[in-house]
Amino acid sequence: KNEVEQSPQNLTAQEGEFITINCSYSVGISALHWLQQHPGGGIVSLFMLSSGKKKHGRLIATINIQEKHSSLHITASHPRDSAVYICAVRQGGSEKLVFGKGTKLTVNP
Amino acid sequence: NAGVTQTPKFQVLKTGQSMTLQCAQDMNHEYMSWYRQDPGMGLRLIHYSVGAGITDQGEVPNGYNVSRSTTEDFPLRLLSAAPSQTSVYFCASSHRGRWSVADTQYFGPGTRLTVL
Repeated sequence: KNEVEQSPQNLTAQEGEFITINCSYSVGISALHWLQQHPGGGIVSLFMLSSGKKKHGRLIATINIQEKHSSLHITASHPRDSAVYICAVRQGGSEKLVFGKGTKLTVNP
Repeated sequence: NAGVTQTPKFQVLKTGQSMTLQCAQDMNHEYMSWYRQDPGMGLRLIHYSVGAGITDQGEVPNGYNVSRSTTEDFPLRLLSAAPSQTSVYFCASSHRGRWSVADTQYFGPGTRLTVL
């Protein structure tokens, strides 16, 4: 079983819809990252969080340490949000990141 | 700042050939790492470094070698290329933040490698 599980694997939405992508992990962590991989392949960091909630524009990331679960929300989705969203965790005391397989989001106009 | 740069962007090798993938960053980041990305799998850590002169193995280190002689550069060497090493390779860097744990990751554009 992968240490980091994302759901759904694929998600298709209509423009304007509220999107939720989930990430569950099985180990104790010091931080969780959400990344976005564009269709062209480039990867950018969206959030790094260890507790609570962070917001940047239309993106919101939350984490529940007790439940070992994080969610990435996109409000008022737009076709330019179409990308693969990747969750990664850093185990407590480790320098290494463990990645989920990603969620492919397609937002149709 | 150029950020994290990788060369080449594309490479085709024959089985048994060796080559070096270059990675450089100009943000004075202590932490650098190499990942490979294969279809249907998450990014997997090959090797990483927490500073000049210090390297360590990741999840899939076999067949790869690294060195970190300067803060800026972290080359990845394929010793004898195999078809199983066909993949997209990403280099990433970050500061070492709170608790000396790596902070927000900055990724290079990737190198698409095909081994025939």
